[in-house]
Amino acid sequence: EAQVTQNPRYLITVTGKKLTVTCSQNMNHEYMSWYRQDPGLGLRQIYYSMNVEVTDKGDVPEGYKVSRKEKRNFPLILESPSPNQTSLYFCASTGTSTKQYFGPGTRLTVT
Amino acid sequence: QKEVEQNSGPLSVPEGAIASLNCTYSDRGSQSFFWYRQYSGKSPELIMSIYSNGDKEDGRFTAQLNKASQYVSLLIRDSQPSDSATYLCAVNVNAGNNRKLIWGLGTSLAVNP
Repeated sequence: EAQVTQNPRYLITVTGKKLTVTCSQNMNHEYMSWYRQDPGLGLRQIYYSMNVEVTDKGDVPEGYKVSRKEKRNFPLILESPSPNQTSLYFCASTGTSTKQYFGPGTRLTVT
Repeated sequence: QKEVEQNSGPLSVPEGAIASLNCTYSDRGSQSFFWYRQYSGKSPELIMSIYSNGDKEDGRFTAQLNKASQYVSLLIRDSQPSDSATYLCAVNVNAGNNRKLIWGLGTSLAVNP
């Protein structure tokens, strides 16, 4: 089954404790991206990747890092999380069209 | 600033009625238009894509695109309570290598039994 997976689905952590949210897709898509979704602000792109070892900033990259060492994986790293990064996070992948397929989401709470 | 605008709703329709959702966008260069459905706390799910002017039908869903007016709409026929969700309009923008979509904030639809 074609899918995008994310882990963990739910995470509660404390300010400053480094965390990684994993994302994996099995569709051989080159393009992947990370979004955060907040009430009243909608979906905002954090980072995107055109292919292995090619990543770039989206609209709200501050406080986040990504890597793309393999085509299928695109982890999101928060090196020093802060409460304003409490949000619902989605990973998405895109094939040859611009249709984006989303993972199930990760609800992050930073206290 | 490239934008996609939607009426936030809530749009309330009785079961069996037609629900009409609207979206306007600012980037005249946009070529791809999408409607996603999102249930509360869940991920967006693609339900329709449209690339050329006119109507595109898929089951109970019809997407309509008018590039001259920069307007895209979604009609849901024979609305069901399970259609109650937030509907997101997304439009591609030219952003170099970024296959970027700009998202509306969504229209909340409630279908009443």
